[in-house]
Amino acid sequence: DAGITQSPRYKITETGRQVTLMCHQTWSHSYMFWYRQDLGHGLRLIYYSAAADITDKGEVPDGYVVSRSKTENFPLTLESATRSQTSVYFCASGGQDRSQPQHFGDGTRLSIL
Amino acid sequence: RKEVEQDPGPFNVPEGATVAFNCTYSNSASQSFFWYRQDCRKEPKLLMSVYSSGNEDGRFTAQLNRASQYISLLIRDSKLSDSATYLCVVNTGYSTLTFGKGTMLLVSP
Repeated sequence: DAGITQSPRYKITETGRQVTLMCHQTWSHSYMFWYRQDLGHGLRLIYYSAAADITDKGEVPDGYVVSRSKTENFPLTLESATRSQTSVYFCASGGQDRSQPQHFGDGTRLSIL
Repeated sequence: RKEVEQDPGPFNVPEGATVAFNCTYSNSASQSFFWYRQDCRKEPKLLMSVYSSGNEDGRFTAQLNRASQYISLLIRDSKLSDSATYLCVVNTGYSTLTFGKGTMLLVSP
């Protein structure tokens, strides 16, 4: 039982391409989150979701799109990738309210050339 | 003032030493607090929650000082495997968790 899984683990793409990062959790947590982590910035929240069909922007949402049609899945799409979006992306899930601790997936290392 | 501030370190300590990190937070309405551990750009992992009365988990002790708005993490008898970045996490109650940038700990033989 992996709990929360991300795919792919590594991805290399080119600027202008669309890329989707997948996140799947088996805990039935209401909340799911997407973060990016870059040197010097720590974890920055991109988007989060409180439940299926409910999403909200985080600190750095520009250039990203999310959806949550099912509770267990929370994909993140870069509509037209830019080099500044090269980063490590972490998906997390966390309980029934936003104050509960979050549990992270292994991350996706994304490089945009 | 940043919402959550941590000394980035690194803290260099020998095995067996006791080391403590502090983390300050700006919002006095903050309600829940956690320490996470992150190894070399792997995923952050929950180390422990921080309770008002302080709490201990083996060699790790967490404390909360609401008056001065800081939380602390004490590690006793440091092991090589404790080398990691420790993230302070705070929840204000009306937003999602806020992560500090982390304090790096290096434990040497």
